Amino acid sequence: DVKVTQSSRYLVKRTGEKVFLECVQDMDHENMFWYRQDPGLGLRLIYFSYDVKMKEKGDIPEGYSVSREKKERFSLILESASTNQTSMYLCASSPAQSGSNQPQHFGDGTRLSIL
Amino acid sequence: AQTVTQSQPEMSVQEAETVTLSCTYDTSESDYYLFWYKQPPSRQMILVIRQEAYKQQNATENRFSVNFQKAAKSFSLKISDSQLGDAAMYFCAYRGATNKLIFGTGTLLAVQP
Repeated sequence: DVKVTQSSRYLVKRTGEKVFLECVQDMDHENMFWYRQDPGLGLRLIYFSYDVKMKEKGDIPEGYSVSREKKERFSLILESASTNQTSMYLCASSPAQSGSNQPQHFGDGTRLSIL
Repeated sequence: AQTVTQSQPEMSVQEAETVTLSCTYDTSESDYYLFWYKQPPSRQMILVIRQEAYKQQNATENRFSVNFQKAAKSFSLKISDSQLGDAAMYFCAYRGATNKLIFGTGTLLAVQP
C-alpha cells in the first residue's frame, strides 16, 4: 500500500513565523501535491511537483513556497505565517503517467493553527 | 476552466438504506477521469471509485456504484445498504489533461442507526 506521511497531525504557530510542513511518500511517485482544505471550499491546490527540483503553482500559491530536493519528500513553506493560513493541509502523491486513471494518495493531513 | 459542483452540503441516510450523492462538472475536454473520495472524520482521504470518461459502463465497487451521464456532465455516487462506517465527507473530483485534481466542495453524509 502507498504510504504518504505528513510530519505533524496538529501544529500551532504564531503570526510571522516561518512554518515548514513535511510530506514523505514511499512509492517512488513522481507527482506530489499540496492542498488546503477549508469548510465549504473543498480542497484547493497550492503547489505541485512533477519531479525533483521542479515545482508549479496551483490555484492559491500566494504566501506559500515549496521544496522538492528528493523524490520522496515535498515540503510546504509558509514564509511568514498569517491567521488566514489557519487550515487543514493535505499532501498527496501519484504516479507519473499523464492521462491515466491512477488516483492520488493522500496523507492524514496537518491541522495548522496560526495565532 | 473545469469546475466541479456538489450541490448537497449534507445528506442523511438510514442504516441499510440507499443514498445517492450528486456531482456535476463542466469541461470542454473529451478525455478525462472522475473520482469519488471519502474522508472519514479525522482520518485519511481514500479513493472510493473511479470512472474513465471513454467508458460507457458505469463503475461499480461492491456497495458503491456511479451513474455517469457524459452528455449531462453528471457523475453521481450511489451507496447501497448503507453502513455506519460510510459516514464521512465525500468529494467528487475531476482530472483532465493534466495530473491536477479539481475537487467539489464535498457532501457530508450522516448514517442514522
